[in-house]
Amino acid sequence: GNSVTQMEGPVTLSEEAFLTINCTYTATGYPSLFWYVQYPGEGLQLLLKATKADDKGSNKGFEATYRKETTSFHLEKGSVQVSDSAVYFCALSQRETSGSRLTFGEGTQLTVNP
Amino acid sequence: KAGVTQTPRYLIKTRGQQVTLSCSPISGHRSVSWYQQTPGQGLQFLFEYFSETQRNKGNFPGRFSGRQFSNSRSEMNVSTLELGDSALYLCASSLALTGGYEQFFGPGTRLTVL
Repeated sequence: GNSVTQMEGPVTLSEEAFLTINCTYTATGYPSLFWYVQYPGEGLQLLLKATKADDKGSNKGFEATYRKETTSFHLEKGSVQVSDSAVYFCALSQRETSGSRLTFGEGTQLTVNP
Repeated sequence: KAGVTQTPRYLIKTRGQQVTLSCSPISGHRSVSWYQQTPGQGLQFLFEYFSETQRNKGNFPGRFSGRQFSNSRSEMNVSTLELGDSALYLCASSLALTGGYEQFFGPGTRLTVL
């Protein structure tokens, strides 16, 4: 079945540091890939997505590139802010076989200190 | 446009009781999915409804059930509650089952079973 593996957290950075959160997946066919963010006490918000190989999703300074050859979708940001502190989830879906069902990674807690 | 709403936001029940959670999708969205979030298991897919029909189901016991109404609002029910059912239950809506439509999440219902 489908699965998503994220780098273990928590991750603690200083403001303006570079961020990378690794994500790899296992799936048959061509899944769509997503990064969601969850702030304390809230639901999930879609941060960015990519629907085919070599697509780059980007939003709010965050980027991730769909790498089919390495089955990866690593999240990066060049300069993090305190407001980026949250839990980040990598996820995939395969609408052809599973509808809207999302398979999530374990989540990575990010804390950014001033 | 109003987002996904979930009621109630917080709920405390005792073992053996049953509970019903409600989700109102974004206007015009016809697909509603439910997820359970716990510290130990992460985000797990429960089920998905589209046009009042369950289209996908996750690996949960039969105590977990749901339904969708003609206005796309959805409810999920958990019978004979167990301590392990304590979790954040998230509802997500999207326009359709297929086509790469984004899923929008509600704030969740925090269920505590004592």
